[in-house]
Amino acid sequence: NAGVTQTPKFQVLKTGQSMTLQCAQDMNHEYMSWYRQDPGMGLRLIHYSVGAGITDQGEVPNGYNVSRSTTEDFPLRLLSAAPSQTSVYFCASSPRWGTSGKEETQYFGPGTRLLVL
Amino acid sequence: DAKTTQPTSMDCAEGRAANLPCNHSTISGNEYVYWYRQIHSQGPQYIIHGLKNNETNEMASLIITEDRKSSTLILPHATLRDTAVYYCIVRVRGSQGNLIFGKGTKLSVKP
Repeated sequence: NAGVTQTPKFQVLKTGQSMTLQCAQDMNHEYMSWYRQDPGMGLRLIHYSVGAGITDQGEVPNGYNVSRSTTEDFPLRLLSAAPSQTSVYFCASSPRWGTSGKEETQYFGPGTRLLVL
Repeated sequence: DAKTTQPTSMDCAEGRAANLPCNHSTISGNEYVYWYRQIHSQGPQYIIHGLKNNETNEMASLIITEDRKSSTLILPHATLRDTAVYYCIVRVRGSQGNLIFGKGTKLSVKP
């Protein structure tokens, strides 16, 4: 298993540009999520999905869109990039959510470092 | 989900046990305690979790006090590769809420 993969690893955007951060998992996990991490901060949840076709907002959803058309993929779209979106983005997946402790273990991808100029 | 309090940073000598404390005084009976760690620039990694009993796995041990108001993560023989930020998180079992990561404890293992 490749686990959770993210592309690209690093991206530079200009203000106003749009782009999609890709996330894929090959573990047949139901739950997937996107976090952002700013310097010296913990992770903040952007959007999450409890299964294909179901998404919901996290703590900091503004400026981001998601969709979950398949179990494997959970792309994050930046609609119009702003310097405030400069951050490291992590995707994570979990076998289940809302069940027991072990099945909610989250597996994280390596991250995408985004710089918006 | 209950709030947690962790020291900002800790040091540990290589080969010694690292004991990382976490205070969760408002924890309720159905909230699990999770520990994750994040090695520099990498995605967080799950370590261990528990409800009320002490737990041990190949990575660490988790000691939860009897009143469940605090817990300690123990790395029995810390190595340089254990240098990381360690996050203590509490979460309601069966909840649709999400993991809330605070700032964690920066553990520095020194030779």
